Amino acid sequence: DAKTTQPPSMDCAEGRAANLPCNHSTISGNEYVYWYRQIHSQGPQYIIHGLKNNETNEMASLIITEDRKSSTLILPHATLRDTAVYYCIVRDRVSGSARQLTFGSGTQLTVLP
Amino acid sequence: DSGVTQTPKHLITATGQRVTLRCSPRSGDLSVYWYQQSLDQGLQFLIQYYNGEERAKGNILERFSAQQFPDLHSELNLSSLELGDSALYFCASSVFGGGGVETQYFGPGTRLLVL
Repeated sequence: DAKTTQPPSMDCAEGRAANLPCNHSTISGNEYVYWYRQIHSQGPQYIIHGLKNNETNEMASLIITEDRKSSTLILPHATLRDTAVYYCIVRDRVSGSARQLTFGSGTQLTVLP
Repeated sequence: DSGVTQTPKHLITATGQRVTLRCSPRSGDLSVYWYQQSLDQGLQFLIQYYNGEERAKGNILERFSAQQFPDLHSELNLSSLELGDSALYFCASSVFGGGGVETQYFGPGTRLLVL
């Protein structure tokens, strides 16, 4: 699985959009980008994943650059409850095959009142 | 709520003891993963089971073992416990979506403290 680079920490004002970047310059064509978050000592929570097209769900939007070497997770209206460590994970897609996730250090997002 | 349950939530024990952590996956999920999160190591994959069979091993110590039962719940057994085994232990189960892409859902974890 490709290596990812994320800033160690970011702040965001409550109600504003939080934009969390991730660099994955060695990503290959079969690799997906996943985002998880972990609110203090809770189990990691799945947010979103994508291959090359932008994706949106009820939690967030994922913007992947055209060359797929980086991506941005967008929380459109951050709340205090969004304060968490956000993990960007690049993972090989092997259809129908279950494999473990490799977590890096992530980005500590702090939403400020 | 991810649908994955883990018991107990907290466990305090002494060095040298043995404990068992339990995980119930989401209904219908065949795959169970165990992860360990300690302060200095981050989230580390330990072991994976799929439909009762061991599929992959990560950084799991020989003192640790796991199994998945016919009803798909899993247990992680930790023996000869050391202070350094104090950590959060998470299990996850997974589902395959469109295109065969897997998504893992994590339980709330068991916090183990070895004194």
